[in-house]
Formats: sequence, C-alpha cells, structure tokens
Amino acid sequence: DAGVIQSPRHEVTEMGQEVTLRCKPISGHDYLFWYRQTMMRGLELLIYFNNNVPIDDSGMPEDRFSAKMPNASFSTLKIQPSEPRDSAVYFCASSWDPLRSQHFGDGTRLSIL
Amino acid sequence: TQLLEQSPQFLSIQEGENLTVYCNSSSVFSSLQWYRQEPGEGPVLLVTVVTGGEVKKLKRLTFQFGDARKDSSLHITAAQPGDTGLYLCAGRTTDSWGKFQFGAGTQVVVTP
Repeated sequence: DAGVIQSPRHEVTEMGQEVTLRCKPISGHDYLFWYRQTMMRGLELLIYFNNNVPIDDSGMPEDRFSAKMPNASFSTLKIQPSEPRDSAVYFCASSWDPLRSQHFGDGTRLSIL
Repeated sequence: TQLLEQSPQFLSIQEGENLTVYCNSSSVFSSLQWYRQEPGEGPVLLVTVVTGGEVKKLKRLTFQFGDARKDSSLHITAAQPGDTGLYLCAGRTTDSWGKFQFGAGTQVVVTP
C-alpha cells in the first residue's frame, strides 16, 4: 500500500516567494496533520484536519501560513510570502485514529534564501 | 519550553551494549507514543502506552510508562547498528484530543 506522499521532496526559493507544499494521505484515513521540524524547536504540529475540515490551527505560526484540504485525497500548505526563518522540514501525516497512530510522509525540506 | 523533555540529547554506543533513553514532563498524559526517525524519512511509530506502569516489549526494545503517567523510558538490549536513529516521544494530555506534542528527541548512534 502506498504511504503518505509529499511533494516536492526539496524546495529552494528566495524570500518573498510563494511556496506550496502538497500531501496525499493514505486512502481511508480521515485525519491529516501538518508538522514542521527544526533543530531548534523539534517537531511542531501546525494544523490538523478531520474529514477535510480544519479542527485546530493553533500551531500555524502566522497569517503567512495557510492550509487547505479540498478533498479526502489532497492537502496543501502554503506560505506567502516566505521568509528565511520558514526553512525547515515539513511533514504531513495521516491517521484513521489519531489516538493510536499517525503515518508520516518523508517530508519536504524547504530552504528559503 | 518543551512540554516533553528527552534525555540524553545524543547517545553513541557500541554494538551489543544496552541503552536507555528518557522522556519526562510535569504534565499527566492520557497516552504516550515512541517513534523512530531515520535521516530523510518521517517518524515511524514504535509503540503507544496508555496505562500508568504499563510495560511493552517489541523484540529488543522495552517501553515503560511511569505510574503517574508523566514519564516514560525506552530501553534497548544488545543494540545493533539498525537501531541508529532519532527517538522521539510524543504525549497527549487529556485536554488535547487528537494532538500529540513531541519531545526534541534523542539521537542514538550504534557503531559496529
């Protein structure tokens, strides 16, 4: 079975540019999570969805960040405008029961110059 | 400030040795998970513990949840190079349904 698929795997762009990260969850999983991982702050939850509806976005750093889930098989995380401090590895995870397990993608390594 | 404090931050041992890593908090958790993450990949769930005092074993890995559900440990017996990775603990408090907060992790390196 295919796992969580994220694209692109690497993104390098200049500050001020718009960045869009994409995620395809595991089929049948009703929950989707976006995380950010840095050396300084570790793995932080940004937002999570249940049945395509955002449930908790309290971890989204600021208005420059937005996330959507137009259908059960696709989600995006957008940063506009991007800043160097947004450089991190962004992970998407999905789950059928978040109390039990989350399945992570391999992440997108984002570098903002 | 991390809700979950993991120690040590880094551990380097020889193949065949034993190791223990710790995850501590002042908060009470309704459940706690351990993940292992390898370079260039996402974390992979190893175990979930929910009951205070619970002990779970996964081959050479032993996980323990503290009686007060504020701390946990992971013990690896006879470590192998394949055990190398970043070990993360993640806890869920009773008022944060569906949300797990992660510790900063312990980087374990096992050399042949």
